Amino acid sequence: GENVEQHPSTLSVQEGDSAVIKCTYSDSASNYFPWYKQELGKRPQLIIDIRSNVGEKKDQRIAVTLNKTAKHFSLHITETQPEDSAVYFCADDSGGGADGLTFGKGTHLIIQP
Amino acid sequence: NAGVTQTPKFQVLKTGQSMTLQCAQDMNHNSMYWYRQDPGMGLRLIYYSASEGTTDKGEVPNGYNVSRLNKREFSLRLESAAPSQTSVYFCASSEAWDTGNTIYFGEGSWLTVV
Repeated sequence: GENVEQHPSTLSVQEGDSAVIKCTYSDSASNYFPWYKQELGKRPQLIIDIRSNVGEKKDQRIAVTLNKTAKHFSLHITETQPEDSAVYFCADDSGGGADGLTFGKGTHLIIQP
Repeated sequence: NAGVTQTPKFQVLKTGQSMTLQCAQDMNHNSMYWYRQDPGMGLRLIYYSASEGTTDKGEVPNGYNVSRLNKREFSLRLESAAPSQTSVYFCASSEAWDTGNTIYFGEGSWLTVV
């Protein structure tokens, strides 16, 4: 079936450096690409999303880019802080089907002091 | 406005026992979902309800049943629990299934089957 591949599975960066997480998707009909952050023992929460008619979106230190031709999208976090340590999930809307979102397997981001 | 509320938060079951996970949302959302989360596997869809009165299988439905009791409530039942069903279960909801609707998650239910 359709899936979303996410890389890397673990990413360790020095505090203050940037972090980039990449995802690829297979369903060309997908139009919505959210990113969720999950802190240890907590629920996943939406941090940013992008729709197919937009190439880039920023919200303070977080940005997402989308390349529909290549079917990939990325999360960029600048000036990383300890509170950015979490697991990040990308997702797509499964081609717009009623079954909601298809998630990547997650990236464990570790911010080294 | 509590969002998505699910119970219980923690449960230990013996193999073969049955149980129901309860979920309710107070956001007047039309669509509801049940996911399971296992280490290294991300979030996998078990069942979903695109609107009140409908339910459909997701990626990993075997061993589960669901009931959309009304617009607010969507329950997940394990009829005969197996150790492979040890997982964290998340209920979620969205305004509608049409593309671009944010999915909101409950706090999760930690289930251990021994």
